[in-house]
Amino acid sequence: GAGVSQSPRYKVAKRGQDVALRCDPISGHVSLFWYQQALGQGPEFLTYFQNEAQLDKSGLPSDRFFAERPEGSVSTLKIQRTQQEDSAVYLCASRMGTGTSGGGTDTQYFGPGTRLTVL
Amino acid sequence: LAKTTQPISMDSYEGQEVNITCSHNNIATNDYITWYQQFPSQGPRFIIQGYKTKVTNEVASLFIPADRKSSTLSLPRVSLSDTAVYYCLVGEIILTGGGNKLTFGTGTQLKVEL
Repeated sequence: GAGVSQSPRYKVAKRGQDVALRCDPISGHVSLFWYQQALGQGPEFLTYFQNEAQLDKSGLPSDRFFAERPEGSVSTLKIQRTQQEDSAVYLCASRMGTGTSGGGTDTQYFGPGTRLTVL
Repeated sequence: LAKTTQPISMDSYEGQEVNITCSHNNIATNDYITWYQQFPSQGPRFIIQGYKTKVTNEVASLFIPADRKSSTLSLPRVSLSDTAVYYCLVGEIILTGGGNKLTFGTGTQLKVEL
């Protein structure tokens, strides 16, 4: 079946512009995560949704970052007034369940990411 | 969350076995050990997960000693296509209302040559 898809794959923005990044999770997956990956670094957690509820946004770096998942499927990460330090790959991951069930961590499936470059 | 330490890079040749060791001295009782693989321009991909002793699947083996303070990912007979970054993660197994966000380090860049 189809995996996690993200669009656009590449985005170039001028400093100060707003951007919106889209994530289409695997159909039926309850959990959705956003991560930010800087060049040469591992992904860093941004926020987590369980269906339409945003249960954890502790990783969002500033109030310029906003994420939503209004119908519990597609999610959008919006960055307002982009800055050069926002340049990174933004990864989306989905997971079937809500977490562990005594048998280990339910696997997260990642999309290919959106590479954002802020000039 | 337990901090992990792994080599920054490793080199190998096709057909060899590669072992990548990760240290996690502060691992908690409820923590599992998970390894992900990431190719350029792709998101990370789950490889294997274990709690103790040895786990094997069609891709790799994971060795975890009794004290669980380290783990070793073993890739048998690597090929050029195994060139990627490998991440060792440690995280809780108990559901606490959702989340279980993954905490990645910088990973190990494995380069396989002919």
